[in-house]
Amino acid sequence: DAKTTQPTSMDCAEGRAANLPCNHSTISGNEYVYWYRQIHSQGPQYIIHGLKNNETNEMASLIITEDRKSSTLILPHATLRDTAVYYCIVILTGNQFYFGTGTSLTVIP
Amino acid sequence: EAGVAQSPRYKIIEKRQSVAFWCNPISGHATLYWYQQILGQGPKLLIQFQNNGVVDDSQLPKDRFSAERLKGVDSTLKIQPAKLEDSAVYLCASSSGVTQETQYFGPGTRLLVL
Repeated sequence: DAKTTQPTSMDCAEGRAANLPCNHSTISGNEYVYWYRQIHSQGPQYIIHGLKNNETNEMASLIITEDRKSSTLILPHATLRDTAVYYCIVILTGNQFYFGTGTSLTVIP
Repeated sequence: EAGVAQSPRYKIIEKRQSVAFWCNPISGHATLYWYQQILGQGPKLLIQFQNNGVVDDSQLPKDRFSAERLKGVDSTLKIQPAKLEDSAVYLCASSSGVTQETQYFGPGTRLLVL
């Protein structure tokens, strides 16, 4: 099964870009990479996903390396409301998500 | 568009009691998931439905947990009897399909077993 590795925690200054890395070295060629975040006491919130190309939406950008073994989620201008646990997910068969323990991002004023 | 609804939001029970959680997915979503999230860990999939059929329940402790989605819309997850280690947040999610589809999560039900 494809799994992911993320740093346990990171800090980021408010207004600066937050770059959250993820390793997924066993990813298969047709498996998407998804990013979710979970703010305290809430359900996980979808952020972005991608297959091979870099992706951008109103929330974030996703940079996937050419070999697809790692990716980086970029929050361009972090705010205090971005403090959350961020999960990098590679979908297993049948659309099953493996969450891991994620990265706890703290945005510092 | 309304999101995934769950109830109750909080539940406190004593061990050996039974409890049930309810989930209403996003309208039109064929696939429904139940996850268990223990404090400090990521969510773990318990069971996945497509319409009213079970796709995967390999992680569901079937001696005490059961789930159903009789009409292919709402779903209930039941624990009987509850153990202390069942204290967790139970999350429901839904997606429109079953392959590489974005899952949308409800707010969860926080269960405390005393």
